[in-house]
Amino acid sequence: DTAVSQTPKYLVTQMGNDKSIKCEQNLGHDTMYWYKQDSKKFLKIMFSYNNKELIINETVPNRFSPKSPDKAHLNLHINSLELGDSAVYFCASSQRGMNTEAFFGQGTRLTVV
Amino acid sequence: GDSVTQMEGPVTLSEEAFLTINCTYTATGYPSLFWYVQYPGEGLQLLLKATKADDKGSNKGFEATYRKETTSFHLEKGSVQVSDSAVYFCALSVGNRDDKIIFGKGTRLHILP
Repeated sequence: DTAVSQTPKYLVTQMGNDKSIKCEQNLGHDTMYWYKQDSKKFLKIMFSYNNKELIINETVPNRFSPKSPDKAHLNLHINSLELGDSAVYFCASSQRGMNTEAFFGQGTRLTVV
Repeated sequence: GDSVTQMEGPVTLSEEAFLTINCTYTATGYPSLFWYVQYPGEGLQLLLKATKADDKGSNKGFEATYRKETTSFHLEKGSVQVSDSAVYFCALSVGNRDDKIIFGKGTRLHILP
């Protein structure tokens, strides 16, 4: 039973398109995140939500818009995709204030051509 | 700001060699410290963690001790296997603020048979 699941696993699309990545967690956590991993494996936080409220927005372009319909879901919508958006995007969840670890999804490899 | 610094890779070792991957951190609060592992094509998995000074985290033969005096959390394993080949990330979380988990840049480990 997958704890954090994100779809799709692979996404190939053309520049200028709009795409979405979905994430769901069944751990009962109240905080969810999106991380971007570049080609050198560097992980950078993009957003975090706590109980559907935006907590962190790390100077990500406005083309990226997260949406959290409930605390178990955090989707990422990207408008007007650019070549530089190609990366692996990871969703994660944790329980706030407990200094506990985050649980990660398997990642979505986005390739913009 | 809070940050994590870990040794550059790649690290290449022969099977059964002793492994150390250095990690130091900067944090204004009292962080929890983590080591995550990423196997090829997969998401991040928690390898071990420590939540307070002098705690030792251990899992699958790996160990790391939370050293507040040296602000370090070095990862060690006495005898590595080919299956340990992966990217290892040191990370911290100061859970009473924004719950952001901050990662080091990752260290790629290659184990030769």
